[in-house]
Amino acid sequence: GESVGLHLPTLSVQEGDNSIINCAYSNSASDYFIWYKQESGKGPQFIIDIRSNMDKRQGQRVTVLLNKTVKHLSLQIAATQPGDSAVYFCAENGDMRFGAGTRLTVKP
Amino acid sequence: EAQVTQNPRYLITVTGKKLTVTCSQNMNHEYMSWYRQDPGLGLRQIYYSMNVEVTDKGDVPEGYKVSRKEKRNFPLILESPSPNQTSLYFCASSLSTGGNTEAFFGQGTRLTVV
Repeated sequence: GESVGLHLPTLSVQEGDNSIINCAYSNSASDYFIWYKQESGKGPQFIIDIRSNMDKRQGQRVTVLLNKTVKHLSLQIAATQPGDSAVYFCAENGDMRFGAGTRLTVKP
Repeated sequence: EAQVTQNPRYLITVTGKKLTVTCSQNMNHEYMSWYRQDPGLGLRQIYYSMNVEVTDKGDVPEGYKVSRKEKRNFPLILESPSPNQTSLYFCASSLSTGGNTEAFFGQGTRLTVV
C-alpha cells in the first residue's frame, strides 16, 4: 500500500479546546481508514475507523471526517484533555506502514 | 486477553553481541510486523510477515533478520548490533493486510547498543 502522509508534525492546544489532526492519503482506491493514538512509552492503539462509504463517524469525543474528493482524512477531538496528549497516526486499508504522526500537546 | 507480547521491554547490550527480541500474539493473526521508532521519524517498518514462512523487507531492513516458523511468533534478530540500532522497537499484528482490519501493537522494547 501507499504511505499515508500527515500535514503537521506538531499541534498544541489549550485544555478544553477542540483539536483537529489532518491526514492526506494518495491511494484513491483505499476504502478503510484507521486512526491510532500512541501515548508516551506505549505502542499505538486503535481509536476509530471509517469506511469509504461514510463521510463522518463519531466516537465518544472523537469524530473522523473523510473527504474522498481531495483524499483527506481528519480526526477531531472535542474538549481536549491532558490525557489526549499523544502522537496520532492514520492508516489506510490495513496498511501497516505509518508516517511520522502528529504530536498533540495539550496545555493546561 | 488478546495481546501482542514483546520481550524484553528494556535491553542494554554491547556492539556485536547477537540478540533476539521476541514477539508473540494470541489472536491467530496472519500478519506481523516489526518497527523501529526514533525521535521525529515515526514508525519505520523493518520486516513484515504475511503468514508462516513468508517474510519480506520493510523500509529499513539492514542489520536485522526475522523468522516466522509459527503463526504466533515473529522474533527480531540482530546478528551484530551497532549503536545506530539504538531505538524503540514495536511489534504489531493484524488479522490480514489489505483488508479492513486494525493493527495491535506490543508494549515496545527499548534497545540501547553501546
